[in-house]
Amino acid sequence: DIQMTQSPSTLSASIGDRVTITCRASQSISSWLAWYQQKPGKAPKLLIYKASRLESGVPSRFSGSGSGTEFTLTISSLQPDDFATYYCQQYNSYRTFGQGTKVEIK
Amino acid sequence: QITLKESGPTLVKPTQTLTLTCTFSGFSLSTSGVGVGWIRQPPGKALEWLALIYWDDDKRYNPSLKSRLTITKDTSKNQVVLTMTNMDPVDTATYYCAHRPSGDNSGHFQYWGQGTLVTVSS
Repeated sequence: DIQMTQSPSTLSASIGDRVTITCRASQSISSWLAWYQQKPGKAPKLLIYKASRLESGVPSRFSGSGSGTEFTLTISSLQPDDFATYYCQQYNSYRTFGQGTKVEIK
Repeated sequence: QITLKESGPTLVKPTQTLTLTCTFSGFSLSTSGVGVGWIRQPPGKALEWLALIYWDDDKRYNPSLKSRLTITKDTSKNQVVLTMTNMDPVDTATYYCAHRPSGDNSGHFQYWGQGTLVTVSS
């Protein structure tokens, strides 16, 4: 089974900060990685797929990069609406989610 | 516009079988490449993928839960059904169904239902 490890688990940041979340796979998954944003009581929302492709309607301050085993989600300038939990998900073999990264207000 | 909605019991007893239905609109499960998956999330915890069914009736299951899961589709009704046997309190979670788009770059879940909370308790 492919394991996905996100870091950090929690991140405290201020409005306007550049934020980076890392996701590592236990084996190579090529570029078969997606990122989701989830707010309390809501379903996850797709942000990025195939590691770096921005889902339609998602603000351009979100970007994804990486391939193989190491991936990053970057928010270029944190906005009030971005405080949420973020999950990565691999789809190279079956499906596996990371444990999540909570972005909190500093 | 693609929408999905989960339905089923909110409370099940330990050892019982859970049956959840995902009713969707805005796409067809007979379209090549399309799939519908199930994902769950225990309170305060991370997402866990459960199962996925494709337009051609191919099915994939989380290996750690495979023996307990069955996923089926009714294309004419635009529904996907997930059954999970031998429910335990640790299976208490919000259960989501989600749309897997067609295309070579797909494997992600593009649209999600609102989720349904299932509590396992005697």
